[in-house]
Amino acid sequence: KQEVTQIPAALSVPEGENLVLNCSFTDSAIYNLQWFRQDPGKGLTSLLLIQSSQREQTSGRLNASLDKSSGRSTLYIAASQPGDSATYLCAVRPNDYKLSFGAGTTVTVRA
Amino acid sequence: NAGVTQTPKFQVLKTGQSMTLQCAQDMNHEYMSWYRQDPGMGLRLIHYSVGAGITDQGEVPNGYNVSRSTTEDFPLRLLSAAPSQTSVYFCASSYGKDRSYEQYFGPGTRLTVT
Repeated sequence: KQEVTQIPAALSVPEGENLVLNCSFTDSAIYNLQWFRQDPGKGLTSLLLIQSSQREQTSGRLNASLDKSSGRSTLYIAASQPGDSATYLCAVRPNDYKLSFGAGTTVTVRA
Repeated sequence: NAGVTQTPKFQVLKTGQSMTLQCAQDMNHEYMSWYRQDPGMGLRLIHYSVGAGITDQGEVPNGYNVSRSTTEDFPLRLLSAAPSQTSVYFCASSYGKDRSYEQYFGPGTRLTVT
């Protein structure tokens, strides 16, 4: 069974600092990996999707890397802002349809 | 496009009652799924569908039924509500094999069973 781990569970940084969020998974036979953002009491918003054949994806201040062989993905958020405060979830899709989610990293950016 | 919509936003049930959580999408996505989110447990897959008329069980299917009569709608039925089903329920959809499989989520239904 695929296990997805996100470390740390919580992170607090001053505004302007770069954020590094980690996601690890136990089975490297994945189809893709997706990063989501969740604000309190809200649904999930897709940030980046990385296919298994890709090494990274970028969108604005966000960059996600994927190392399938070592079972790791990292989400980088450059020059953090208070509006980046949220919970960030990674989800791995194996070769069937069943997504496996990590428990998330809750980020607080202090003004 | 409205994306993925869910109703109701909030619901309180008594133990033993039944109800249906509604989910609809207007993106012509083949795949739809239901998740529940509990503190400390993350998101867990309840049921999913790969197209109209086709459904399958996820990780935690007991106590829930689904059907998919149209591409757009994927309702989740609670047969006899139990306090253990108190949770936040999310519906998601995506394209199938020829697309990117990016998942789009609805805003969620917060359910309390007393």
